Amino acid sequence: AQSVTQLDSQVPVFEEAPVELRCNYSSSVSVYLFWYVQYPNQGLQLLLKYLSGSTLVESINGFEAEFNKSQTSFHLRKPSVHISDTAEYFCAVYNTDKLIFGTGTRLQVFP
Amino acid sequence: KAGVTQTPRYLIKTRGQQVTLSCSPISGHRSVSWYQQTPGQGLQFLFEYFSETQRNKGNFPGRFSGRQFSNSRSEMNVSTLELGDSALYLCASSLRGSGASYNEQFFGPGTRLTVL
Repeated sequence: AQSVTQLDSQVPVFEEAPVELRCNYSSSVSVYLFWYVQYPNQGLQLLLKYLSGSTLVESINGFEAEFNKSQTSFHLRKPSVHISDTAEYFCAVYNTDKLIFGTGTRLQVFP
Repeated sequence: KAGVTQTPRYLIKTRGQQVTLSCSPISGHRSVSWYQQTPGQGLQFLFEYFSETQRNKGNFPGRFSGRQFSNSRSEMNVSTLELGDSALYLCASSLRGSGASYNEQFFGPGTRLTVL
């Protein structure tokens, strides 16, 4: 069965610093990978996705993630975070019409 | 287009009661999936409905059930509520049936259920 591992439950960082949120998946078949963001008291918003093609995918608000098949990873990065990036981030893999989520990483950005 | 809507947004029930949550998908979307989010178990898939039929089911007891109507709106029901059912219940809709191997899921804001 496919699974997703997010090693860091919390990541504190100062504003304008770079950040990396780690995600590893287990799968022996083609994968579709996603990062979702959840702000307090809200649902999930799709941040970015990897379906095929270029292994580096970018979001409109400066986040990027790189699909690494050999390391089965899909880490999320941002070179300079903002206070408004404070949220919970979920990595997910799509399998037989459902999403399998990691346990989430809470990104806390301090001024 | 309006997004996925869920009602009610907040709900408080007591143990032993039953509850019904509602989800209206994005117009034109025919698939509705339900997920449970708890601090302990994270986000877990409950079930998916497409064209009024359950197409996929997660590992939850039979107390959790759902249905979908001809207009694609979906309801989920939890009977004999337990304290551990306290969670955020998220609904997601997708086009599905398009022949694609991937159908993007759009999430609603969720219903926060508290069981006392």
